[in-house]
Amino acid sequence: QVQLQESGPGLVKPSGTLSLTCAVSGGSISSSNWWSWVRQPPGKGLEWIGEIYHSGSTNYNPSLKSRVTISVDKSKNQFSLKLSSVTAADTAVYYCAICRAAAGRGLGRWGQGTLVTVSS
Amino acid sequence: DIVMTQTPLSSPVTLGQPASISCRSSQSLVHSDGNTYLSWLQQRPGQPPRLLIYKISNRFSGVPDRFSGSGAGTDFTLKISRVEAEDVGVYYCMQATQFPLTFGGGTKVEIK
Repeated sequence: QVQLQESGPGLVKPSGTLSLTCAVSGGSISSSNWWSWVRQPPGKGLEWIGEIYHSGSTNYNPSLKSRVTISVDKSKNQFSLKLSSVTAADTAVYYCAICRAAAGRGLGRWGQGTLVTVSS
Repeated sequence: DIVMTQTPLSSPVTLGQPASISCRSSQSLVHSDGNTYLSWLQQRPGQPPRLLIYKISNRFSGVPDRFSGSGAGTDFTLKISRVEAEDVGVYYCMQATQFPLTFGGGTKVEIK
């Protein structure tokens, strides 16, 4: 069964760049799925950030598009998120997830999430 | 963006009784390919979300059959036939018909 694990700094300074990686195990990142990032501010709802296919094709949320880059590393079976010019509003738990074509583009498997705090 | 509106915000339920959550989208979720990409997720306290239902009414792997989804167009419903203690959490609807993917605000299911 595919498992996802997020990793990266838990604290980022304002105006800095948030960088996270999602390691995929138990399956190949080259499978026919899209690989997504979703975030959840403390005590609030879910926000889709964007997704990437193993070919490198991406889709981003327009509200974040100018600051977001999602990339894939097939050799390491992982994908990454970079969010630039962060502010306190970017403080959230960041999840990686699989967007399964076979499950109607449902987000079928999630990592445990990692809390990123933006603070000086 | 497609706005997803869930009601109620909170649903206190007696164990063993049914629960129902509604989700309305600001525009039709029927994709040009004929599919409706509406899913439901459950988030238990302190846990990541978990996919329950996809394409309106299809249960994901391992999801108990007390969970069911229905609806069409812009109006959708998640039903729990008999609520169990492990069903406590927040439920979200999500649309993947149009970018960006968007979520409802969530409905908290709690035991009376």
